[in-house]
Amino acid sequence: QQQVKQSPQSLIVQKGGIPIINCAYENTAFDYFPWYQQFPGKGPALLIAIRPDVSEKKEGRFTISFNKSAKQFSLHIMDSQPGDSATYFCAASRYTGTASKLTFGTGTRLQVTL
Amino acid sequence: DAGVIQSPRHEVTEMGQEVTLRCKPISGHNSLFWYRQTMMRGLELLIYFNNNVPIDDSGMPEDRFSAKMPNASFSTLKIQPSEPRDSAVYFCASSFRNYEQYFGPGTRLTVT
Repeated sequence: QQQVKQSPQSLIVQKGGIPIINCAYENTAFDYFPWYQQFPGKGPALLIAIRPDVSEKKEGRFTISFNKSAKQFSLHIMDSQPGDSATYFCAASRYTGTASKLTFGTGTRLQVTL
Repeated sequence: DAGVIQSPRHEVTEMGQEVTLRCKPISGHNSLFWYRQTMMRGLELLIYFNNNVPIDDSGMPEDRFSAKMPNASFSTLKIQPSEPRDSAVYFCASSFRNYEQYFGPGTRLTVT
């Protein structure tokens, strides 16, 4: 059962464009929603995260928008650069009392062209 | 400040052989996670430990897979016997009492 659905699978934008990646979740017990960035041959790296008590969070050029009622969240990359070309994963998590288990989306391969 | 360390970075083995992947979490972190990444299935959580104790191994695919954490600074993931369908990138991640997980560089396993 896929608990976090991510779209699109791939995305090509020109430099300066604003790619948007969307995710939807099913489990209302999730209480933490991170985005990870992964470059080829590297491990995923935490990019930005949000909790369900806020609707938006910005860190530099990266913004998460969160819609609790729709159970959806999205990543926006402002003024995208070729260096942003990577695979992006959304995830959802719930604290189990001992640690937080992450459920990942299927990933979006982003290419930013000149 | 060293991040999560994994070894080996690449492993090529023949079907039926035993494979051991190693992980050193970030010092001070008390939770450790093993993930597998494939094109078909994406990132899957295999098992996680808290304070060196296995908490949830429901993601371990079958009895051929086992994981141990003998102390706070070392964990192993063992596959015995290995099969071609085990070919994947295996990641270790660690965290400390919060939601942020830090991933290692991964071990690319190829079973021929």
